[in-house]
Amino acid sequence: DAGVIQSPRHEVTEMGQEVTLRCKLISGHNSLFWYRQTMMRGLELLIYFNNNVPIDDSGMPEDRFSAKMPNASFSTLKIQPSEPRDSAVYFCASRPGDGLGDTQYFGPGTRLTVL
Amino acid sequence: QQQVKQSPQSLIVQKGGISIINCAYENTAFDYFPWYQQFPGKGPALLIAIRPDVSEKKEGRFTISFNKSAKQFSLHIMDSQPGDSATYFCAASKGMDSSYKLIFGSGTRLLVRP
Repeated sequence: DAGVIQSPRHEVTEMGQEVTLRCKLISGHNSLFWYRQTMMRGLELLIYFNNNVPIDDSGMPEDRFSAKMPNASFSTLKIQPSEPRDSAVYFCASRPGDGLGDTQYFGPGTRLTVL
Repeated sequence: QQQVKQSPQSLIVQKGGISIINCAYENTAFDYFPWYQQFPGKGPALLIAIRPDVSEKKEGRFTISFNKSAKQFSLHIMDSQPGDSATYFCAASKGMDSSYKLIFGSGTRLLVRP
């Protein structure tokens, strides 16, 4: 059974460029979480969706960040324009659904470097 | 009130020893307390979790001790092995009211020396 899939695994871009990170949920899961991990700030929740609907985006740093779930199994996190301070590892995680357990299953992450 | 405070920041233990990592929280509405393990280059993975209706949960060499009155919980790794070397995160959530949003501690980097 495939876990959460993220792409790309590594991304190096220049300041000002648009970056799109992708995430495929585990089949049957209906909650999706985007996290950012840095040495300074640890694991930060950016946004999460339940049944394709954004529930809480209070962790999104600023308007340069946007996230979508165009369907039940896929999500994108876009940064436009990117800045060096956005350099981090970005994780998505999925959860089965209400009443089916609290465990969040993390993907392998995308390491983003903005030069 | 949403924070989960974790200590120590790093820990070095000899093989066979006991590793202990502590977490404290303020929000009494939290009702789910997982520990996640993260190896370099990987995403965090659930290790063990507890709910406040029990004071201890054991799975193999890993035990969570939970003190509801003190609002503290800890992870004990018995007979620590070099393969346990990883970063450990505690977390807490409020269940359905917040769609299981996890609040993570700052992490503990564990090194088990052979």
